[in-house]
Amino acid sequence: AQKITQTQPGMFVQEKEAVTLDCTYDTSDPSYGLFWYKQPSSGEMIFLIYQGSYDQQNATEGRYSLNFQKARKSANLVISASQLGDSAMYFCAMRDEMTNTGNQFYFGTGTSLTVIP
Amino acid sequence: NAGVTQTPKFQVLKTGQSMTLQCAQDMNHEYMSWYRQDPGMGLRLIHYSVGAGITDQGEVPNGYNVSRSTTEDFPLRLLSAAPSQTSVYFCASSYSIQGGQPQHFGDGTRLSIL
Repeated sequence: AQKITQTQPGMFVQEKEAVTLDCTYDTSDPSYGLFWYKQPSSGEMIFLIYQGSYDQQNATEGRYSLNFQKARKSANLVISASQLGDSAMYFCAMRDEMTNTGNQFYFGTGTSLTVIP
Repeated sequence: NAGVTQTPKFQVLKTGQSMTLQCAQDMNHEYMSWYRQDPGMGLRLIHYSVGAGITDQGEVPNGYNVSRSTTEDFPLRLLSAAPSQTSVYFCASSYSIQGGQPQHFGDGTRLSIL
């Protein structure tokens, strides 16, 4: 069963606008973590933001915020004031934190974001 | 800060050849993983390790072996390369499985099997 689903293969956003990248997940573990990574065209994986399943507030890191809706099992990434350098692939990932003794991360298929000048 | 270092960055092999992808980290992380990234499929876990001497299979382990003789090193071996193993391979490490500890990734190895 797919643990992480990203339904938007590609997205476009105007520079300086906000954009939301969707992510839904599936787990029966009561404790889990959700992560977003950015992969620019150069290929490296850059960690952006983390949300724990027990965190009461949505995570924020600079222009990145995570819209966490636990009942809907969604963890959407919001990028505010988009910049040209935000053009990249974005991956949502999940880690079960109680039953997962091996620190296994499950990744979605990614969303390609293009920022238009 | 070297972080996670993967070598080589690029490699071309012929079908049936064997090779080892190297991964080393200098952060004293216990947890290390190997992923492959294929177009449209995201990253899939090949093998992982929770410490020196301990390894286990991930989602797509067939055709690959790993070992973890030291905390720092986690090599991935292709036993008999097949065109289906053409991919980008990432090694990752992390300090803990709790809280917000992310995985730190190497820069990847682009592998082509002819």
